[in-house]
Amino acid sequence: GAGVSQSPSNKVTEKGKDVELRCDPISGHTALYWYRQSLGQGLEFLIYFQGNSAPDKSGLPSDRFSAERTGGSVSTLTIQRTQQEDSAVYLCASSFRAFVSGSSDTQYFGPGTRLTVL
Amino acid sequence: GESVGLHLPTLSVQEGDNSIINCAYSNSASDYFIWYKQESGKGPQFIIDIRSNMDKRQGQRVTVLLNKTVKHLSLQIAATQPGDSAVYFCAETEAGGGSEKLVFGKGTKLTVNP
Repeated sequence: GAGVSQSPSNKVTEKGKDVELRCDPISGHTALYWYRQSLGQGLEFLIYFQGNSAPDKSGLPSDRFSAERTGGSVSTLTIQRTQQEDSAVYLCASSFRAFVSGSSDTQYFGPGTRLTVL
Repeated sequence: GESVGLHLPTLSVQEGDNSIINCAYSNSASDYFIWYKQESGKGPQFIIDIRSNMDKRQGQRVTVLLNKTVKHLSLQIAATQPGDSAVYFCAETEAGGGSEKLVFGKGTKLTVNP
């Protein structure tokens, strides 16, 4: 597609329920990132994929959060037993190539999924 | 830990004026910096980037300046237009764990008055 797409655009769930958020990166982009943006805050890194593997999960806030990527393309971020503090906008970004020391590549963002946990 | 921060949370300018948004960073090892624009309800949109081997880079109506000595980054917008109203984030790439995650500041809200 022309850009990064995410679904759903909005998700309202009850505390304790599981949710799945989806990201479709730009075609041909090998790197994929998930970020979280709380109200009025900057973006917080969650996890990075290179192909189907996730070499950097350092930003996941708890073991309730997990993500996978299949076929080197679509990624899903799963939050189990959601809590009210999980309410935020979850943003996905992709970039063209793998991490190569000294040659950072631009990350392009999707529109985000706004998650509200009641 | 090291972080990227912004000097001013809000900036209000008149249409046609030039805008300057500032950002301080603390990670001296950072070598790539990006400015993003985020409009309400949308994801961040890439504006311009600069690598640490440069002091200045120009785009269309935007200029980014990098001062490595004082670890300061700025975004200049010429002839600001109402469509420029948004939150602007600076970000640096922080290499580690085999990835280049972006570290963002909290953002500056730019309001352009007609």
